[in-house]
Amino acid sequence: QVHLQESGPRSVKPSQTLSLTCTVSGGSINSGGFYWSWIRQDPGKGLEWIGYIHSTGSTSYNPSLRSRVSISIDTSRSQFSLNLTSVTAADTAVFFCARDTMRAQSRYFFYAMDVWGQGTTVTVSS
Amino acid sequence: DIQMTQSPSSLSASVGDRVTITCRASQAITNNLGWYQQKPGTAPKSLIYAASILESGVPSRFRGSGSGTEFTLTISSLQPEDFATYFCVQQHGYPRTFGQGTKLEIK
Repeated sequence: QVHLQESGPRSVKPSQTLSLTCTVSGGSINSGGFYWSWIRQDPGKGLEWIGYIHSTGSTSYNPSLRSRVSISIDTSRSQFSLNLTSVTAADTAVFFCARDTMRAQSRYFFYAMDVWGQGTTVTVSS
Repeated sequence: DIQMTQSPSSLSASVGDRVTITCRASQAITNNLGWYQQKPGTAPKSLIYAASILESGVPSRFRGSGSGTEFTLTISSLQPEDFATYFCVQQHGYPRTFGQGTKLEIK
């Protein structure tokens, strides 16, 4: 069974960079049908999709964060990572990593975020 | 971005009740919609994808329907473990966007 685990600092100072890593265990990070994603949750704003990376290295980011976000992957370590620069208090949230899986139904493809990490709370504060 | 409008934001119901939650998309997303359940302090769990296909292990009392811009999640005969927050998410395009959530509480 695939398991995802977030790790990284729980506290970041304003203007600094938030860095988190997600370790994938129990399955391959290299499968073509998986899009390794970051999502955050702020009690006031709900769930926000941050972006994904594929094992090929292709990425997609939320335009609202694109100027500050980067996601990288280390397939040899079965890890993918999130960097969010120039953080402010508004970036305080629970951060989840998740696997967005492409599934074929008839001749169509659908997606589902079917495996999630437990989430890690990151607080931006001086 | 595709906006997802979910209603109601909260709902009180009793064990055994039938409840319906609605999500509307700001543009047509065919049936690229998922429903997720989240309990306090845990990650969301995928219940339904492609608007109506249940994930493995999800009880048949959960039913998703809809296409285009309007979607519903129906839970028939609520069980105690069903009291949670439910989210829809459009998976038609990027960025993925979520509904605001429906908190289902025990009456």
